[in-house]
Formats: sequence, structure tokens, C-alpha cells
Amino acid sequence: SYELTQPPSVSVSPGHTVTISCSGDALANQYSFWYQQKPGQAPVLVIFKDNKRASGIPERFSGANSGTTVTLTISGVQAEDEADYYCQSADNSGSYSRVIFGGGTKLTV
Amino acid sequence: QVQLQESGPGLVKPSETLSLVCTVSGGSITSTTYNWGWMRQPPGKGLEWIGSFDYNEVIYYNPSLSSRLTISIDTSKNEFSLKVTSVTAADTAVYYCGRLPWGYFDILIGSYTRPFSYMDVWGKGTTVTVSS
Repeated sequence: SYELTQPPSVSVSPGHTVTISCSGDALANQYSFWYQQKPGQAPVLVIFKDNKRASGIPERFSGANSGTTVTLTISGVQAEDEADYYCQSADNSGSYSRVIFGGGTKLTV
Repeated sequence: QVQLQESGPGLVKPSETLSLVCTVSGGSITSTTYNWGWMRQPPGKGLEWIGSFDYNEVIYYNPSLSSRLTISIDTSKNEFSLKVTSVTAADTAVYYCGRLPWGYFDILIGSYTRPFSYMDVWGKGTTVTVSS
């Protein structure tokens, strides 16, 4: 099981806006990070520290944090955005920080 | 631009040891700005953190796997390795190595607490199948 919870799938029409949620207790006290993964490829960092776009990521990608739920929003979705999206955070409840993930959301355009 | 490349056997027998090496180019694994580490992804499933190390060569393991893991660091070759002992079919996955920027969540209030890290550069990944 995963320590962050994401919807398994979402779908959106091209040009529309879609929001993918991620929830978990760790998010109340930590940053969130988002990755995009296309079939057969390594994940690519999309958002770091809740709302900062990684290098080369289009402006249509944005992130937000509201306590124990964070969101990734893609505005004006394009066909090339079809991919799996994973949220990630850190769990500091133990003696050291652990990297934790959500189970991933398959975005269908 | 930093690049990472995983290498190692693609097939491992059950109960044996999985061994992978990550070779880093274009950047140093002794950099104080980054941790370095491993993730994996079983077929059709999500991502899992395996372990990471920092510039002091302090190694952090996923507690769910730690009894079977060893991460080793070779700064002279600018590479690091992963060993997983007593493998089963559940260890079949794509294994990724990568670079992890790190920081403290509370740094804005002047406190070096609640560390975090994330993987901003990933290797292409290597598929390891556990099967007899």
C-alpha cells in the first residue's frame, strides 16, 4: 500500500483543465513533489516544493498545497500530457526522513 | 548535465542476490547539494523508494526492505551500487538510480528540521527479473 492516496485514473478532453489530488497526513508538514511518467520511460519531475515547476515544464502545469491534500493542475491539457502522475513527499515521523509516494494516477486525454 | 546509468544482470534467481551499479557522469556524488539513491517500480505498479545517501555517506534505507539492502559508495569511480539479498518474484521491477536535491522544510523559520528530498534526475532504469 502507499502512504499517499491518489485517484487511480482521471480523464479529460483536450484543451480542458484537470486536477489530480494527493492526500496523506505527511503532507501537512512537508512539501509535495509530482512526477510524470510515460509508458516505457523513466519518471520526470514536474513540480517540486508544492508549486515550483521543474526545468522545462510548461506553464500549464501547476501545483498547490492545502494541508493534507495537494493538487496538480494541468490547464489547457494537450494529448502529450497523457501519462501516469505520481505524488511524493517525505515522512519525518521516524528517526530519519523517508521518501513516500502515492500510487499514481493515470491521466487519459 | 548530470547523467546516470544503471547496469547489472537482468535476470536473478530466487534466493540469490541482486546487484546493480549506478555510474554518474557530469556531476560528483560528493556534492553537498545532493543525495543520491535508488527507486524501483514493479511491473504495472507504482514507485518505491529503496534508499539514499548523503554527502557524508550516511545511508538511509526503506525500513520495509532494509534487512536485505546494502548501498555502497565508490567516490573514486563516481558510482554507487545496490545489493538486495534473498530476492523473490516481488523484487522483479525496473530499478532506477538518481540524484536527489535535499533541504529542510523548516529552513524558512531558521530550523534545520523536517528534511526532504526528491529525485530531479533519473537514470533510464534497468529491468531486473527474478526467476529460476
